[in-house]
Amino acid sequence: KAGVTQTPRYLIKTRGQQVTLSCSPISGHRSVSWYQQTPGQGLQFLFEYFSETQRNKGNFPGRFSGRQFSNSRSEMNVSTLELGDSALYLCASSRAGTSGETQYFGPGTRLLVL
Amino acid sequence: SQKIEQNSEALNIQEGKTATLTCNYTNYSPAYLQWYRQDPGRGPVFLLLIRENEKEKRKERLKVTFDTTLKQSLFHITASQPADSATYLCALGGRTGTASKLTFGTGTRLQVTL
Repeated sequence: KAGVTQTPRYLIKTRGQQVTLSCSPISGHRSVSWYQQTPGQGLQFLFEYFSETQRNKGNFPGRFSGRQFSNSRSEMNVSTLELGDSALYLCASSRAGTSGETQYFGPGTRLLVL
Repeated sequence: SQKIEQNSEALNIQEGKTATLTCNYTNYSPAYLQWYRQDPGRGPVFLLLIRENEKEKRKERLKVTFDTTLKQSLFHITASQPADSATYLCALGGRTGTASKLTFGTGTRLQVTL
């Protein structure tokens, strides 16, 4: 069974640009969550999508957005990039995102903003 | 606000010894707690889950305890091996509605030497 895949794995952008990251969950998983990981703040929850609807949202500005498609694949978009957006972006999938359910993480997309 | 603290310093132990990692939290009543392992450049990998009504869980050489009165979880690796060297993250999860929104600690780096 294939794991969670994320593309691209590495990305370099400049301030002011926008970026779109993609996540393909494990087959049969309908919940996809996104996290930002930085050395200073650790792993922080961005948002979760389930059945194409945003179900939970973290404390990030509106520049961070996402969506989920009918096949459960998800994308996140960051507009007007800032230097502080440089981070490892991780997505995680689970069957339904219920309490105590294991979340399976992808390898992440490392974004560098210059 | 919610706060999760893990040993900020790296933990260095000798092969064969038991490693004990600590996770303390405040301003949170989690429904469950999870421990993850993360290797450099990779996404976190799920290890163990313990629910709020459980005191202890074991899996092979791993043991986790959960004390909701002390607001603390301890994670033990017995007979540690150099291959156990990694960063270990604890994560708290909520109940229905926010179950998939994990709040992570900043992690403890474990180094097992020969």
